[in-house]
Amino acid sequence: GQNIDQPTEMTATEGAIVQINCTYQTSGFNGLFWYQQHAGEAPTFLSYNVLDGLEEKGRFSSFLSRSKGYSYLLLKELQMKDSASYLCAPRNDYKLSFGAGTTVTVRA
Amino acid sequence: GAVVSQHPSWVICKSGTSVKIECRSLDFQATTMFWYRQFPKQSLMLMATSNEGSKATYEQGVEKDKFLINHASLTLSTLTVTSAHPEDSSFYICSARDPKQRGPYEQYFGPGTRLTVT
Repeated sequence: GQNIDQPTEMTATEGAIVQINCTYQTSGFNGLFWYQQHAGEAPTFLSYNVLDGLEEKGRFSSFLSRSKGYSYLLLKELQMKDSASYLCAPRNDYKLSFGAGTTVTVRA
Repeated sequence: GAVVSQHPSWVICKSGTSVKIECRSLDFQATTMFWYRQFPKQSLMLMATSNEGSKATYEQGVEKDKFLINHASLTLSTLTVTSAHPEDSSFYICSARDPKQRGPYEQYFGPGTRLTVT
């Protein structure tokens, strides 16, 4: 089975940094995705890790430790438009399993 | 980038009727498509994996006779919710896998279909 844990909610100030942690236990693993989802919309791809370490893409970075079953998404220079739900999704073969999502609220 | 479309984007139907949702890959051939369901403030739950030309594989707890999936071509998969009830009201999202891509560009999500059963 799949067990994916991430915080339910986080609040941060515009311009700040927020780190969303995700721990997972899956029956198989070949990569981990992070998605952003605004209410009523489909998820959009943010970041992907298949090997241990940090992947940086502009304001978004993601880290993976396979031995610890742990990942985090780092959002820097927060903007109001970053208010959304962020989904951690480990992959097994071609199937994605999604965490419940972390709702990030950015305040002015 | 690759585009996946869904039709309709929203639908309202009466209890007991059936509703068909289409998922199309517009610029690649998708050997595999996935159907997800998302209830308000909950995460995406995989319902089934649809492979072109073969029967869909359903996740545990998903009724295959209620949620009929057809993947008749490499660019089209359909999900039919049969005898819909109010508890089937949800956001249904498909994703399509491009076998020529690897890593993060393998799967693309459709925009979703909001189903409301009255």
